[in-house]
Amino acid sequence: NAGVTQTPKFRILKIGQSMTLQCTQDMNHNYMYWYRQDPGMGLKLIYYSVGAGITDKGEVPNGYNVSRSTTEDFPLRLELAAPSQTSVYFCASSSDSNYGYTFGSGTRLTVV
Amino acid sequence: AQKVTQAQTEISVVEKEDVTLDCVYETRDTTYYLFWYKQPPSGELVFLIRRNSFDEQNEISGRYSWNFQKSTSSFNFTITASQVVDSAVYFCALRGVSGGYNKLIFGAGTRLAVHP
Repeated sequence: NAGVTQTPKFRILKIGQSMTLQCTQDMNHNYMYWYRQDPGMGLKLIYYSVGAGITDKGEVPNGYNVSRSTTEDFPLRLELAAPSQTSVYFCASSSDSNYGYTFGSGTRLTVV
Repeated sequence: AQKVTQAQTEISVVEKEDVTLDCVYETRDTTYYLFWYKQPPSGELVFLIRRNSFDEQNEISGRYSWNFQKSTSSFNFTITASQVVDSAVYFCALRGVSGGYNKLIFGAGTRLAVHP
């Protein structure tokens, strides 16, 4: 089982560029999440999804967009990248709302 | 509002010492879930334990043990006879069940350094 797969692992963006962080899970989980982890900090929820076609904002959604067209995929889109978006991004999934999450290995993004 | 506080930013111990990582939480929910995750230097997040609010039994798993006390809103994590491989950032997290879909709220983490 691959679990939760995130690509790319590393990326450097210039200010104003856009990119999509990919997240795929093969566990048939309904719930998926995007978090960001700033240096020395905990994780902050950006967006989440409770099933295909359903997404909602978390604590820090500004500057990001998501879509959930299938159960497996939950891409995160950054439009007009800013230095404040330099962070490590984690995607996660869970089988229901009461279980622990399975996290991907993270994407380290630097905006210069 | 829900909140998780890990007051210890960094802890440094020598191998074989016991160490306790503190976690204090706030929630108005009567049903909630508490978690601990480990983030080793490689960066991935590893699930350690989940505890629901109705189960105050302490849990032991090898050198790890967890002390859940609702009276003090704490869910502390103890590593007995620490090892260098325990060096990591440890996160405590909370999930309530009210106010619509429940989300996992993380504390800021405690960085544990175990020296030989």
